[in-house]
Amino acid sequence: KAGVTQTPRYLIKTRGQQVTLSCSPISGHRSVSWYQQTPGQGLQFLFEYFSETQRNKGNFPGRFSGRQFSNSRSEMNVSTLELGDSALYLCASSLNPLGRGQGQPQHFGDGTRLSIL
Amino acid sequence: QKEVEQDPGPLSVPEGAIVSLNCTYSNSAFQYFMWYRQYSRKGPELLMYTYSSGNKEDGRFTAQVDKSSKYISLFIRDSQPSDSATYLCATNAGGTSYGKLTFGQGTILTVHP
Repeated sequence: KAGVTQTPRYLIKTRGQQVTLSCSPISGHRSVSWYQQTPGQGLQFLFEYFSETQRNKGNFPGRFSGRQFSNSRSEMNVSTLELGDSALYLCASSLNPLGRGQGQPQHFGDGTRLSIL
Repeated sequence: QKEVEQDPGPLSVPEGAIVSLNCTYSNSAFQYFMWYRQYSRKGPELLMYTYSSGNKEDGRFTAQVDKSSKYISLFIRDSQPSDSATYLCATNAGGTSYGKLTFGQGTILTVHP
């Protein structure tokens, strides 16, 4: 069974540009979450999508947005890029979106490493 | 104060040692607890997943959760050089907040031959 797939793996942009990252969840998983990982702040939650709706949102500015398609694939977009947006962006998917009972854990992709020049 | 606190280390041990990794959390709503392992240039890989207080064992790994003291641990027995990685504890609440994981800072572990 294929894991979570993120594309592209590496990306270099300049300040002021915008970028779109893509995530294909594990087959059958309907919840997709996005995280930003930096050496200083660690792993921070960006947002979660379930059934094409944003269900949870972290403390990031509105420049960070996302969406989910009917096949559960998700994209995140960052507009007006800043130097501080340089990070590893990780996507995770989960089978059980409501964590009832035993729940089901999130599985991560290998991320997109975004560098801002 | 962060909701999940984890000693970043680094931690260096000889091969064969028992490793103990720990996290504390402050939010009583957290119900699910995970340990992930992350190698350089890779995404976090799920090691252990627990729902209730107590111990859960999987091979050389044992996860321990004490909800009364809000303390979670991961023990690695007979550590190997291949265990050298960053270990991340993570937790989340149930219901509609289930999709939001809160992570510790990660502990860098090196196991030397």
